[in-house]
Amino acid sequence: SAVISQKPSRDICQRGTSLTIQCQVDSQVTMMFWYRQQPGQSLTLIATANQGSEATYESGFVIDKFPISRPNLTFSTLTVSNMSPEDSSIYLCSVALAGGNTGELFFGEGSRLTVL
Amino acid sequence: AQSVAQPEDQVNVAEGNPLTVKCTYSVSGNPYLFWYVQYPNRGLQFLLKYITGDNLVKGSYGFEAEFNKSQTSFHLKKPSALVSDSALYFCAVRLFQGGKLIFGQGTELSVKP
Repeated sequence: SAVISQKPSRDICQRGTSLTIQCQVDSQVTMMFWYRQQPGQSLTLIATANQGSEATYESGFVIDKFPISRPNLTFSTLTVSNMSPEDSSIYLCSVALAGGNTGELFFGEGSRLTVL
Repeated sequence: AQSVAQPEDQVNVAEGNPLTVKCTYSVSGNPYLFWYVQYPNRGLQFLLKYITGDNLVKGSYGFEAEFNKSQTSFHLKKPSALVSDSALYFCAVRLFQGGKLIFGQGTELSVKP
């Protein structure tokens, strides 16, 4: 497995501001993903963080709202821009260590954001 | 479209009784299926997976799951439930293209003493 550290673990933010979430892994990983879990809901994939290139966004998510960086194989950031109360969610970083597309993904503890 | 469904929002079981949490899937090609558990205020923990081979797979904490291709199901089971098993359970399928994980809606398992 891998140790996945997310910062911050939680934050309370004001409407209109932006917040950057960091994800640090203790080993090099093949794939990194960012998920959102809205209150009482399942997990929805925001994007695949690609090392050295632009992230691949899922339908309904755009780069201007959720810019993502992945400068190397162990680190990624997700920014939630111009936040509104609807952005109040848990944001989770997820990684694949190996096994191609058949291996399990591992998750960080999540970053719980509350937007007032 | 490829998807995963968990038909029960909540499952209630008495401690010591067997439990089943249901999952059905719709994917093209061979499915890569997973179960995860989420305890309150925690991230997701991997329980088990089916890739190929034996239809009955065993995982963490005494859980197992049975892959049924004809019924496109991957139900999670445990012979004897514990109160500490109470949590939110997610079934997921990993797509060959892109490698992303698609989740079901989740099932809240409540085990009462």
